[in-house]
Amino acid sequence: EIVLTQSPATLSLSPGERATLSCRASQSFGSFLAWYQQKPGQAPRLLIYDAFNRATGIPARFSGSGSGTDFTLTISSLEPEDFAVYYCLQRSNWPPLFTFGPGTKVDIK
Amino acid sequence: QLQLQESGPGLVKPSETLSLTCTVSGGSINGDSYYWGWIRQPPGKGLEWIGSMYYSGSTHYNPSLKSRVTISVDTSKNQFSLKLSSVTAADTAVYYCASPYPVPTGNWFDPWGQGTLVTVSS
Repeated sequence: EIVLTQSPATLSLSPGERATLSCRASQSFGSFLAWYQQKPGQAPRLLIYDAFNRATGIPARFSGSGSGTDFTLTISSLEPEDFAVYYCLQRSNWPPLFTFGPGTKVDIK
Repeated sequence: QLQLQESGPGLVKPSETLSLTCTVSGGSINGDSYYWGWIRQPPGKGLEWIGSMYYSGSTHYNPSLKSRVTISVDTSKNQFSLKLSSVTAADTAVYYCASPYPVPTGNWFDPWGQGTLVTVSS
């Protein structure tokens, strides 16, 4: 079973700053990784899939990178609406089983 | 635009079975080989994948819940359902259903329903 670790647990930044979020896996699984954003009281929204592809309608300030065991979500310049919790999600090739990371909260400094 | 809505009891007694239904509108649950999912989130905590289902009815479950979970589909009603047996307080959570976001390598989940809170308590 793959275990995902996200760091930091909380990231305190100001609007306009760059956010770098990490997701590390206990073993390599290729590039089957996605990033989700969740705001209070809302369902999660897909931002990035297959490590670096932006989902439909996601602004270009969101980017993903990495493969194997180390993945990164970067928000190039934080907008007020970006303060939220971010989860990484891993998918095994077959059978398609999913594991979420514990999340990183990006809050306003 | 695809929309999903969870429905079911908000309160379930310990040891009983939690039953939820996800109704899909704006699109058909029938179709390509992509899977629909159930995910849950205990209050104030992170997300946990429960299981996934192809429209044909084949399923995959979280190993930690597999012995208690059943996901099924009713294509005539454009719905899929979740049953979780022998519930305890630890199963108290917001339960989300989610639709497939197909990509060349398989699929992810998006969009999701708004979620429904299920509390396990006597």
